[in-house]
Amino acid sequence: AQSVTQLDSQVPVFEEAPVELRCNYSSSVSVYLFWYVQYPNQGLQLLLKYLSGSTLVKGINGFEAEFNKSQTSFHLRKPSVHISDTAEYFCAVSGGQNFVFGPGTRLSVLP
Amino acid sequence: DVKVTQSSRYLVKRTGEKVFLECVQDMDHENMFWYRQDPGLGLRLIYFSYDVKMKEKGDIPEGYSVSREKKERFSLILESASTNQTSMYLCASTPSGRYEQYFGPGTRLTVT
Repeated sequence: AQSVTQLDSQVPVFEEAPVELRCNYSSSVSVYLFWYVQYPNQGLQLLLKYLSGSTLVKGINGFEAEFNKSQTSFHLRKPSVHISDTAEYFCAVSGGQNFVFGPGTRLSVLP
Repeated sequence: DVKVTQSSRYLVKRTGEKVFLECVQDMDHENMFWYRQDPGLGLRLIYFSYDVKMKEKGDIPEGYSVSREKKERFSLILESASTNQTSMYLCASTPSGRYEQYFGPGTRLTVT
């Protein structure tokens, strides 16, 4: 079975500042990793995914994430955030037939 | 683009009512999923289906059932709604052999 931990439930950050949202996972099998974004009153939208290959993955809206197998982490980063990035972000892990989401991190971008 | 639609964005029902939540996807995906989302708990899997007329229990199936009579449609049924089923319900689909899930807009259900 897999599990996902998102260490920060809320992250406030000023506009144009960099941000990192942390995600750690545990699994006994090889996994695929995802970040989703959820804007208020909407469904989840895929930001980026790691399936194999380069450990640095670039996604939509200027986000990127780095897979670190030794630390079992998949942290999400953006060098300069915008007000429109305010949303909830979910890390997810897929291994075997399971697809497990973390509890989410609420990113608030302040003017 | 993949499109997953859910029959209602907001729904208010009374305790004890039978509730149907409908989900339709237009990309011929084999796999479909129902989640509920509650603050601080993330998404929890209720049921999923890998094919027509097939269903598998997820992590929290109690109080729910599902129906998949056609490939594109996956229905979630609350047999007798209770207040602890007040939640956001999200439907997702994915093609066989792929991993990322595509989500509908969600249905916010309130049971009074």
